[in-house]
Amino acid sequence: GQQLNQSPQSMFIQEGEDVSMNCTSSSIFNTWLWYKQEPGEGPVLLIALYKAGELTSNGRLTAQFGITRKDSFLNISASIPSDVGIYFCAGPTSGTYKYIFGTGTRLKVLA
Amino acid sequence: NAGVTQTPKFQVLKTGQSMTLQCAQDMNHEYMSWYRQDPGMGLRLIHYSVGAGITDQGEVPNGYNVSRSTTEDFPLRLLSAAPSQTSVYFCASSYSGTGANVLTFGAGSRLTVL
Repeated sequence: GQQLNQSPQSMFIQEGEDVSMNCTSSSIFNTWLWYKQEPGEGPVLLIALYKAGELTSNGRLTAQFGITRKDSFLNISASIPSDVGIYFCAGPTSGTYKYIFGTGTRLKVLA
Repeated sequence: NAGVTQTPKFQVLKTGQSMTLQCAQDMNHEYMSWYRQDPGMGLRLIHYSVGAGITDQGEVPNGYNVSRSTTEDFPLRLLSAAPSQTSVYFCASSYSGTGANVLTFGAGSRLTVL
């Protein structure tokens, strides 16, 4: 089935560092969603992107909808310990209601 | 609003037993779906529904059954549990109109099949 390739798989960073992660697909997406999941919880929406080239911020988080519509990027600036979690990209496959998810980027922040 | 409510939070079954995972939402969302999450594999879509009376299969539907008799509820049934169905299950819902497409998740149900 269709897959979203997310990288890196995991990251260990120092508090205060910036973080970048990305998500790529073999086919076009019309919507990109970025979620964060903390242990024992369901994923929570961080940012939603609806247009190619769109750049959207949510506090220290910034996400971009790639111009080819086959990729998306998430940046976290000045990381803090509570940024720890798994970050997922997701989107509905074109013309369907089937949302698929990337395999996630596991982020650990060292104080 | 409670959002998306899943029950039970934890369940242990023996191979061959049946059970139903419950999902309810109070946001009047047309779209509801079930995912399973396994280590290193992200979330995989099991079944979804775009409205009452309408269901369809996702990526990994085998061994699971769903129905949608009301807008609010979308139960997931395991007819004969297998150890391969040990996983964390998430229910999610959204509006299905253009420009919506934002899934809201429940807190999850952790299932262990012995």
